[in-house]
Amino acid sequence: AQSVSQHNHHVILSEAASLELGCNYSYGGTVNLFWYVQYPGQHLQLLLKYFSGDPLVKGIKGFEAEFIKSKFSFNLRKPSVQWSDTAEYFCAVNAGTNAGKSTFGDGTTLTVKP
Amino acid sequence: EAQVTQNPRYLITVTGKKLTVTCSQNMNHEYMSWYRQDPGLGLRQIYYSMNVEVTDKGDVPEGYKVSRKEKRNFPLILESPSPNQTSLYFCASRKDQQGVNEKLFFGSGTQLSVL
Repeated sequence: AQSVSQHNHHVILSEAASLELGCNYSYGGTVNLFWYVQYPGQHLQLLLKYFSGDPLVKGIKGFEAEFIKSKFSFNLRKPSVQWSDTAEYFCAVNAGTNAGKSTFGDGTTLTVKP
Repeated sequence: EAQVTQNPRYLITVTGKKLTVTCSQNMNHEYMSWYRQDPGLGLRQIYYSMNVEVTDKGDVPEGYKVSRKEKRNFPLILESPSPNQTSLYFCASRKDQQGVNEKLFFGSGTQLSVL
């Protein structure tokens, strides 16, 4: 069965600091990986996704993530965070064998201090 | 505007009183899914539907029912709600039932409190 683990539950940064949120998944086959963001009071929206090709993917708002197959990881990064990045971030995986199952991590709450 | 609409946005009920949370999408999506979001547990999948009349259990289906009689609607039914079903519920959809690399479109959520 597929599973997702996010290392940090709550991260607090100052504006302009660099961000890296960890995500590890457990599934040996082909995976499709996603990062979603949930701003306060809003629904989840896609930041970026990886399914094939260049393991370094770029998303909206300056976010990027790197798929490292050997480490089963898909960490999210941003070189310089802004106050408006305060949100909850979810890593998710869809394995190829069951198109219906989507597995999300526990989420990481990011607070950016102005 | 392409969207997933959930109703109600907030709901307070009592134990045992049947309720339905509606979900509708206007994008002609094949796939729809329900999640619950709880602090420290992230989003957990309750049920999903690959197409009309095709539904299947997710990771936490106990105490819930769903139906998919038409493509646009995917209601979540709690026949006898209990306090442990107090949660934030999200409906989501995507275009293709086999589209494992497609993004999910989420509704705005339903905050349910069962007293």
